[in-house]
Amino acid sequence: DQQVKQNSPSLSVQEGRISILNCDYTNSMFDYFLWYKKYPAEGPTFLISISSIKDKNEDGRFTVFLNKSAKHLSLHIVPSQPGDSAVYFCAASQTYSGAGSYQLTFGKGTKLSVIP
Amino acid sequence: KAGVTQTPRYLIKTRGQQVTLSCSPISGHRSVSWYQQTPGQGLQFLFEYFSETQRNKGNFPGRFSGRQFSNSRSEMNVSTLELGDSALYLCASSPPQVYEQYFGPGTRLTVT
Repeated sequence: DQQVKQNSPSLSVQEGRISILNCDYTNSMFDYFLWYKKYPAEGPTFLISISSIKDKNEDGRFTVFLNKSAKHLSLHIVPSQPGDSAVYFCAASQTYSGAGSYQLTFGKGTKLSVIP
Repeated sequence: KAGVTQTPRYLIKTRGQQVTLSCSPISGHRSVSWYQQTPGQGLQFLFEYFSETQRNKGNFPGRFSGRQFSNSRSEMNVSTLELGDSALYLCASSPPQVYEQYFGPGTRLTVT
């Protein structure tokens, strides 16, 4: 049972245009969402996050939008650059009360290719 | 600060053997989590340690185990290796009460 889904395995975008990566989740207990970027032969790199009490968070060229009613979040990259070409993972977390433990549940990733 | 380090980076083992992977978290991070990445299943949570105690565990068989030392360094062990254990094993650390986890480069394990 996949609780975090990224339905597009790949996405190609022209340099300078907007990249929109989508993610859906099913577990209503998730209270924090994160995006990671991964290059081959490297570990995932944290990109941006959003709490479930917000609907938007912006950091430079990266903006994450959260629609709780639809259980959907998206990552917007504007403008896209060739160096953004990587696999992007959506992750969700819930607090295990009493334990203080945050477990990340990942989607399977979307490979973004930014064409010069 | 130095990032999360993992050793070894690459490992080839034979079915039935056991393996130990090591992880050194970012200085000051006391939580260490382990994930398995495979092409078919993506990134899956193995377990999390905090102050030498396992706080959380994913849905993996008992052949997968781990521990954490007093300096927050962590090891994971896989016994009786199977072909399906071939994967990238990622370690991540985080400061207390923070959701963001910071990953190491991973250990690529190949079981033949």
